Amino acid sequence: AQSVTQLGSHVSVSEGALVLLRCNYSSSVPPYLFWYVQYPNQGLQLLLKYTSAATLVKGINGFEAEFKKSETSFHLTKPSAHMSDAAEYFCAVTNLKRQLTFGSGTQLTVLP
Amino acid sequence: GAGVSQSPSNKVTEKGKDVELRCDPISGHTALYWYRQSLGQGLEFLIYFQGNSAPDKSGLPSDRFSAERTGGSVSTLTIQRTQQEDSAVYLCASSFQGSGGETGELFFGEGSRLTVL
Repeated sequence: AQSVTQLGSHVSVSEGALVLLRCNYSSSVPPYLFWYVQYPNQGLQLLLKYTSAATLVKGINGFEAEFKKSETSFHLTKPSAHMSDAAEYFCAVTNLKRQLTFGSGTQLTVLP
Repeated sequence: GAGVSQSPSNKVTEKGKDVELRCDPISGHTALYWYRQSLGQGLEFLIYFQGNSAPDKSGLPSDRFSAERTGGSVSTLTIQRTQQEDSAVYLCASSFQGSGGETGELFFGEGSRLTVL
């Protein structure tokens, strides 16, 4: 069984501030973890993925995430938010069948 | 086209009618997924096709939902006797298993928004 919990359905940050979006997972096997971003009226786009290599993963647009097995977490961060980062972010985990289980999403608002 | 293509982009139907949603994956991608995205509910896995293997239908919410994939390419998701709770955005994704390592990145279409009145 696998599941993903995203803490906070809405997060607001000021432009230039740190972005932190939280994701905790549950998996009975070593997980593969993903962050996807969805801009309004668009499909999902991969931001980054963890596939059992380096625990600190760097993605597009300055985002990164750190896999912490002891905390079963895969939080997404960005040092300085831009207005263009406003979107919905989804954390996801795979099982051996390679189907992704998604979290419920976090809507990020960036305030000027 | 270069990406995953879905049609129609928007569909409004009356309760009880059947609807078909189409997905044209990226050429050469062996795996195809359908997800449902409802407001405040995240993404719900529906069905997964991989090559010539039997599809994983474990996510289909009822027997009113079915999907097929012809020739290992285009897929059609059919919802029979639609209900208001079927209103959602239906997302299709494809991947080439083995690309980017064991998992493979999913490429998503822009979705088909279904509204059942």
